[in-house]
Amino acid sequence: GAVVSQHPSWVICKSGTSVKIECRSLDFQATTMFWYRQFPKQSLMLMATSNEGSKATYEQGVEKDKFLINHASLTLSTLTVTSAHPEDSSFYICSPRDSSDTDTQYFGPGTRLTVL
Amino acid sequence: DAKTTQPPSMDCAEGRAANLPCNHSTISGNEYVYWYRQIHSQGPQYIIHGLKNNETNEMASLIITEDRKSSTLILPHATLRDTAVYYCIVSPSSGAQKLVFGQGTRLTINP
Repeated sequence: GAVVSQHPSWVICKSGTSVKIECRSLDFQATTMFWYRQFPKQSLMLMATSNEGSKATYEQGVEKDKFLINHASLTLSTLTVTSAHPEDSSFYICSPRDSSDTDTQYFGPGTRLTVL
Repeated sequence: DAKTTQPPSMDCAEGRAANLPCNHSTISGNEYVYWYRQIHSQGPQYIIHGLKNNETNEMASLIITEDRKSSTLILPHATLRDTAVYYCIVSPSSGAQKLVFGQGTRLTINP
């Protein structure tokens, strides 16, 4: 159980374009979704927390207008990196929390974003 | 900020038990100890978690000291595929949970 998918697994885009990353919980429902990013040789950094049907809460230093999060259903959340720049190149990882087993948080396989 | 301290790296021979320590001296009464691992270029993988009793599952064992200020993750028979960065995280359970990652321990299993 606890299968999480992310799409795409990697993406290369030009500076100034927007990129949407999808995260799906395939065999459980997730009321809460966490989004992390990870720069090379660093640990995961929490970007934002979203609850289904509500606006996301962003961590300090993360621009909410740049990283748009939509959590419209219990199995799907999206992260859109708007007007991407090379410094946004990173490994983005979603983490849905199982609504029926709130002690455990699972992670997606990640999306590698490269902005040229 | 992460509230745990782990050695930056460890080595272990294949087939032997890997014991990964973690200090969490400021842990609160309602906080669990979680262990995750991350294999290169993949998302973190849940391993095990516990509150105060020792826990065991098909992947590992978690030993928590009686004062809960430290714990040890034990991989009983390490294989090459266990090479990864292991993260020890303390966090409340349920609605207050927000996993904050530290630097973890880079475990290398040697043949």
